[in-house]
Order: sequence, then structure tokens, then C-alpha cells
Amino acid sequence: AQSVTQPDIHITVSEGASLELRCNYSYGATPYLFWYVQSPGQGLQLLLKYFSGDTLVQGIKGFEAEFKRSQSSFNLRKPSVHWSDAAEYFCAVGRGGGADGLTFGKGTHLIIQP
Amino acid sequence: NAGVTQTPKFQVLKTGQSMTLQCAQDMNHNSMYWYRQDPGMGLRLIYYSASEGTTDKGEVPNGYNVSRLNKREFSLRLESAAPSQTSVYFCASSTNRESNEKLFFGSGTQLSVL
Repeated sequence: AQSVTQPDIHITVSEGASLELRCNYSYGATPYLFWYVQSPGQGLQLLLKYFSGDTLVQGIKGFEAEFKRSQSSFNLRKPSVHWSDAAEYFCAVGRGGGADGLTFGKGTHLIIQP
Repeated sequence: NAGVTQTPKFQVLKTGQSMTLQCAQDMNHNSMYWYRQDPGMGLRLIYYSASEGTTDKGEVPNGYNVSRLNKREFSLRLESAAPSQTSVYFCASSTNRESNEKLFFGSGTQLSVL
């Protein structure tokens, strides 16, 4: 069965500093990988996705993620965070885009210090 | 662009009461989904509808029923609410179940069962 692990429940970063959120997955085939962001009181919004090809994918809001098959990881990065990046971040893995095949991680809560 | 609209936004029920959560999307999507989100648990799929006229169980279907009323609307019903169903409920839609498209989420319904 597929699974997703986000090892960090909370991460605190100073505004302007770089960010890396970790995601490890378990999947028997080539995975479809996603990062979603949830702002307070809102639904989830897709940041980026990886299906195939270039292992470094660019997303919205200046985020990028790198797929590393050897490490079963899909870590999310941003060079310089802004206070508006404070949110909950979810990694997801699946066999396709359809939600019935997606498994979400438990989320990482990002706190931005001034 | 309304996207995915959920009603109500907040609801308090007593144990044993029933209610229906409404969801509508205006993007002509074929597939719709209901999730629940609990602290430290991430999102878990309750039911989904791959296309109009079909519904299937997700990871945590017990205690819920769904109706795909038409292509736009997908409702979630709690027949006899229990405190364990206190959660935030999200409706989502996608172009197709198998497509490599993203999920679009509503803003959620916060449900408390006393």
C-alpha cells in the first residue's frame, strides 16, 4: 500500500530565510507526487506536481520540489520565505491525479518568524 | 469564478441528529470527492464519485452516505451523528478520476458533534 511521511509536524523559519519541507513516500510503481498548501480557514491549493520528466519541478508562489527516486523523497523548497507562506503543507502520492488513488501526508505546519 | 462551493461553513449537532453537507462545482468536472480532516491525520477520503451516477467508498466511509445529485452537486449525509464525526469536511473536484489534473477544494465545513 502506498504511504506518505512528512517527518516534521511543525517548522519555524525566519522571514527571508530558505525553506525545505520533507516528504518521503512508499509506492510500488512510478509515483505521481503533489504538494498542496492550506491557508487558515481555506481548502487546499495545488503548489506543484510531478508525473515524469525533469525531476526538479517549479510551482506557484516561488516553490520548487525535487523528486529523488533513490531516496523516495519529494522535498519542497523555497529560497526566501515570506510571512504569507505561513500555512499547512501537504504532500500526496498516488497512481494518478484522481483523488481516490491519492494518499495525503499528515501535513507540516509552517510558522514564519519576523 | 466560484469553483467549489460548500454549505454550511459551520455546524453544531447533537449526537444522533442528522444533516446533509452540500457541495457544488461550476467547472464541469466529472469527479467529486468528500474528505475529512482531523488534527494530525491529514486528509482522509470518505466517498467519491468518479462520474455522474456513480459513487464509491473511500478510506473512511462508515457513518456516511453520499448522493451525486447531478454533475454539479455531490452531497454528504450523516444519518446519526456521533462525536467521532467532529471534523472539518472538504469537498473537492477534478476533471476526471484518472486524469493528471489537480484537485480543486472547497473552503470546508467545520462540524462539531456534541
